[in-house]
Amino acid sequence: DAGVIQSPRHEVTEMGQEVTLRCKPISGHNSLFWYRQTMMRGLELLIYFNNNVPIDDSGMPEDRFSAKMPNASFSTLKIQPSEPRDSAVYFCASSLVAGFWSYEQYFGPGTRLTVT
Amino acid sequence: EDKVVQSPLSLVVHEGDTVTLNCSYEVTNFRSLLWYKQEKKAPTFLFMLTSSGIEKKSGRLSSILDKKELFSILNITATQTGDSAVYLCAVGNAGGTSYGKLTFGQGTILTVHP
Repeated sequence: DAGVIQSPRHEVTEMGQEVTLRCKPISGHNSLFWYRQTMMRGLELLIYFNNNVPIDDSGMPEDRFSAKMPNASFSTLKIQPSEPRDSAVYFCASSLVAGFWSYEQYFGPGTRLTVT
Repeated sequence: EDKVVQSPLSLVVHEGDTVTLNCSYEVTNFRSLLWYKQEKKAPTFLFMLTSSGIEKKSGRLSSILDKKELFSILNITATQTGDSAVYLCAVGNAGGTSYGKLTFGQGTILTVHP
């Protein structure tokens, strides 16, 4: 299996521009998680989906952030408009959840976002 | 609110030393505790622990969980420079609505000098 795939790997954009990050989870996994990592705040959970349905978006910092999962093999995280404080590494992770049991999460390589 | 605390925050050792990393947690409906290793890239999975007192081992790394005292330790013996990384501890909830959500600690930065 190719693992979790994210694109782009690096993104540099100017303040005010729209940014779209993409994720393809591991085939067969039914939960998908978006994280943001910075030195100051560590690894933060932004939003997660189960069977393509958003379960908890309480970690999304503000309305400028939105996420979708139109099907089991694709998700996007959009920031519009972007701000310099959004600069971070954004990770996507996926796992298999069966009933009350959940397996380990596998992380993608991340997208390093720089907003100037 | 679920909470995971790791200690120490950073650790510097020399090759060959043995290190113990700690993770304590407060979480409703505990299901599992996981350890990840993060070098200059994405976290990679090391162990998942669900039962107290049962050691999980992989090479020089081992981990054990104490569900009564709400903590776990990660041991690394005969450390090598390649063990230098951030080690993350995470806890998963039970219950049908958690869907695999993990709460992560802040991590322990391990530096191994030659």
